[in-house]
Amino acid sequence: QKEVEQNSGPLSVPEGAIASLNCTYSDRVSQSFFWYRQYSGKSPELIMSIYSNGDKEDGRFTAQLNKASQYVSLLIRDSQPSDSATYLCAVSSGANNLFFGTGTRLTVIP
Amino acid sequence: EAGVAQSPRYKIIEKRQSVAFWCNPISGHATLYWYQQILGQGPKLLIQFQNNGVVDDSQLPKDRFSAERLKGVDSTLKIQPAKLEDSAVYLCASVWGLAGVTDTQYFGPGTRLTVL
Repeated sequence: QKEVEQNSGPLSVPEGAIASLNCTYSDRVSQSFFWYRQYSGKSPELIMSIYSNGDKEDGRFTAQLNKASQYVSLLIRDSQPSDSATYLCAVSSGANNLFFGTGTRLTVIP
Repeated sequence: EAGVAQSPRYKIIEKRQSVAFWCNPISGHATLYWYQQILGQGPKLLIQFQNNGVVDDSQLPKDRFSAERLKGVDSTLKIQPAKLEDSAVYLCASVWGLAGVTDTQYFGPGTRLTVL
C-alpha cells in the first residue's frame, strides 16, 4: 500500500513569515510529486509540481524534493492570510494515479 | 476554457438508497478520474478511465459502486445501496492526454454526499 504522510497541523504562522510543510512517501519508485491547495469546501488546486531532486521555485512557493530520503516539502515565503488553506501532498508513479496525504491545515494570522 | 463540471453539487439520501453523480471533463481530456474525499482526509482514487476504457478500478468497492464512461466523454458514478460511511465529497478530475507522469489533473467542484 502506497502511503503519503503529512503532519495534519494545524500550522499557524504570522503574516509575512515562512510556512514550511512536509511530506514523506513510502513508494521508492514514485516519479512525480505535487502540492495541491484546498480551501474549505472547494476542490484541490495544483500549485506546484516537482519531478527531480532539488528545489523548484515559483513566486512565493518553493518545492523541495529528496528522493533518497523520500521527502518532499513546500515553503511559502511572505505568507498571506489568503494562503490559509489545507495543503495536500500527492505522489504519483507510472499511470499518474495520485496518492494523497491527509493534508496540513495552514492558518496565516494577520 | 470551461473546467470540469459535476452535478449535483449536494445530495442527501438515506442509507440503502441509490445515488448517481455526473461528471463532464474538460473538452478533449482523454483521462478521467473519480476520487472520494472523506472529511479530514485526502482524496482517494476510486477509478481511472482512459477514453471509455477502465485503467484502474482497484480501489472501487465493486459490490456497491459502479462507474461508466460509455462515449469517452462524460461519466457517471453510482452507489447502490449507499452506506453511512459513503458520506464524502466525490471529486472528478481530468487530464488532457493519456496521463503521463507530468500531466496536471484538473478537479471539478465535487459532489457532497450525505447518507443519513
